[in-house]
Amino acid sequence: SQTIHQWPATLVQPVGSPLSLECTVEGTSNPNLYWYRQAAGRGLQLLFYSVGIGQISSEVPQNLSASRPQDRQFILSSKKLLLSDSGFYLCAWSASLAGVRTGELFFGEGSRLTVL
Amino acid sequence: GNSVTQMEGPVTLSEEAFLTINCTYTATGYPSLFWYVQYPGEGLQLLLKATKADDKGSNKGFEATYRKETTSFHLEKGSVQVSDSAVYFCALVKAAGNKLTFGGGTRVLVKP
Repeated sequence: SQTIHQWPATLVQPVGSPLSLECTVEGTSNPNLYWYRQAAGRGLQLLFYSVGIGQISSEVPQNLSASRPQDRQFILSSKKLLLSDSGFYLCAWSASLAGVRTGELFFGEGSRLTVL
Repeated sequence: GNSVTQMEGPVTLSEEAFLTINCTYTATGYPSLFWYVQYPGEGLQLLLKATKADDKGSNKGFEATYRKETTSFHLEKGSVQVSDSAVYFCALVKAAGNKLTFGGGTRVLVKP
């Protein structure tokens, strides 16, 4: 069966420090991968999605970047964190872009980032 | 653009009470509608869905009906349990789209 893991689960970082959140999927090949963020009191916002190795689509301009160095690995990064980067980050995968239309989007447990 | 609005929480209920979480949406065309649930310490998981007007999605005692005339997809459960305590997200995707638009989430706390 397919599983998705992301880490770390909780992170407290000072302003200006770098960030790396990692997400891996097991049990499937060539998944579509997504990073979402939930800021306090707001809905889940799609940040990035990837349909293959090295292919990243950015949804909103921001202080973050994403990379996909391997088929089942998706990394969210920042060179210098801002206070506004605080939030709950969720990685997700689907077997296809069309899978999203049937609700077949599977989420990790999330990473809570606090920037001080 | 697309948007989803759902009632703010937290919603606190007693066990066996009736639960309604309102969700309305703005979208062109005929989107598919979803409810996702996030139990404490877990990722989001699909609870139910509806892909066309008047469809009713149901799962685990929860129901929601796709109402195009009121652009709504309210979630209901007739008798909640403590185990239903979670955050509930309403979401949509456009007919030919590949990106989910989520509401802000509603935290539900059921007390014994």
